[in-house]
Amino acid sequence: KNEVEQSPQNLTAQEGEFITINCSYSVGISALHWLQQHPGGGIVSLFMLSSGKKKHGRLIATINIQEKHSSLHITASHPRDSAVYICAVKQETSGSRLTFGEGTQLTVNP
Amino acid sequence: GAGVSQTPSNKVTEKGKYVELRCDPISGHTALYWYRQSLGQGPEFLIYFQGTGAADDSGLPNDRFFAVRPEGSVSTLKIQRTERGDSAVYLCASSRGLTYGYTFGSGTRLTVV
Repeated sequence: KNEVEQSPQNLTAQEGEFITINCSYSVGISALHWLQQHPGGGIVSLFMLSSGKKKHGRLIATINIQEKHSSLHITASHPRDSAVYICAVKQETSGSRLTFGEGTQLTVNP
Repeated sequence: GAGVSQTPSNKVTEKGKYVELRCDPISGHTALYWYRQSLGQGPEFLIYFQGTGAADDSGLPNDRFFAVRPEGSVSTLKIQRTERGDSAVYLCASSRGLTYGYTFGSGTRLTVV
């Protein structure tokens, strides 16, 4: 079992739909990151969370430390949101390294 | 620079050859990380530098892999006697420190033929 699991692995939506991507982890963490990766491109950091909720534009990230669960929401989705979304955690016991989930491939159709 | 720069963006090499991958982090970022991402998978940790020293190299798969950061800025990941299984995207990230976020480079796609 991976220490960081994401669901769904693949998600297809129509433009304008509300999207949720989930991340569950099984280890103690000091921070959780949501990252975006476009095909052939590098990784862009979207959020770093240790508690509560953060919002940036149409993106919202929440985390529940007790339940070891985080969600990334995209409101009013757009085809340019199509990318791989990756959840990564900084474990309490592993110093500074990140442990990554396998990513969620999001496709938003016009 | 404005972002994390990785060169080359693509590298094709023959099995058994030696390769060097370069990472130029954001100026002033003391922490530098190397990750490896195979097709369809999330990145896997290789090594972490704090300043010039390797603070954690436990992710390096074997002794064919080595990384340096001699002046605390640019880092080079070195792979000896490359194997086809080394083919992956090698990602570099930098950070101001433990409580800060990361900035990733665009990666180097290594193909060993």
